[in-house]
Amino acid sequence: RKEVEQDPGPFNVPEGATVAFNCTYSNSASQSFFWYRQDCRKEPKLLMSVYSSGNEDGRFTAQLNRASQYISLLIRDSKLSDSATYLCVVNAGGFKTIFGAGTRLFVKA
Amino acid sequence: DGGITQSPKYLFRKEGQNVTLSCEQNLNHDAMYWYRQDPGQGLRLIYYSQIVNDFQKGDIAEGYSVSREKKESFPLTVTSAQKNPTAFYLCASSMPGLYNEQFFGPGTRLTVL
Repeated sequence: RKEVEQDPGPFNVPEGATVAFNCTYSNSASQSFFWYRQDCRKEPKLLMSVYSSGNEDGRFTAQLNRASQYISLLIRDSKLSDSATYLCVVNAGGFKTIFGAGTRLFVKA
Repeated sequence: DGGITQSPKYLFRKEGQNVTLSCEQNLNHDAMYWYRQDPGQGLRLIYYSQIVNDFQKGDIAEGYSVSREKKESFPLTVTSAQKNPTAFYLCASSMPGLYNEQFFGPGTRLTVL
C-alpha cells in the first residue's frame, strides 16, 4: 500500500462545477497535511495547509479525518484556471514528507 | 523578492558525465531538500539538509551527492553512477515548525542523451 494515495483522475468538469478530491494516508502518526497545486511542467505550489478543524480559503475547503486517515479538498465554482494537478502531502514528523502522485483536474468552458 | 532559484532550467548530459544542479534560497530557511519527479509519480526525496554542513540521505540517494557549505545554497551533483537520471529535479526549503511547509524552486529538467 502506498503511504499516500490519491485518485489519479483525470477529473473533467465544466466551469462552475464543484469537485472534490480525496486522499488517504497510511501512517497514523502523521502530523501535518497539505494540498499543493502543480501546473504542467512547473513546480508544486502550496495551496493550503490542512488543519484539524478543517479550513476554508475562498472557493477551496480542506478537511481532515484523522480517525479514517483521510484528507479532502473541495473546489467550488470551478474556474478554467483551476486546471492543474493537485498533490496531497503528508508530513509524518520531522523531515519525512510524503507526496501523493496527484490528481489531475481539467475544467472546461 | 524572497524565493528559491534553480539553474539551469534545462540540462542535457551525455552518459558518463557528472552534472551539478544549483539551488539558492534567500528565505532564510534552515532546511533544504532535493526531490526527483518522474512522469505520473509523486516526488521522491533524494537528500535533505537541516543545517549548514549537515545533510541526510533520502529515499533515493544512490548516484547523487550534495553539499551545504552555506545556508543559502544546496547544490546537487548527479553522478555517472545514477543509472536513470533523466527527470525533473526540484529543490525546496522550509523553516522547521509545527507544519513545516515546503516551498519549491522552479525546477531543473535533466535529460541524458
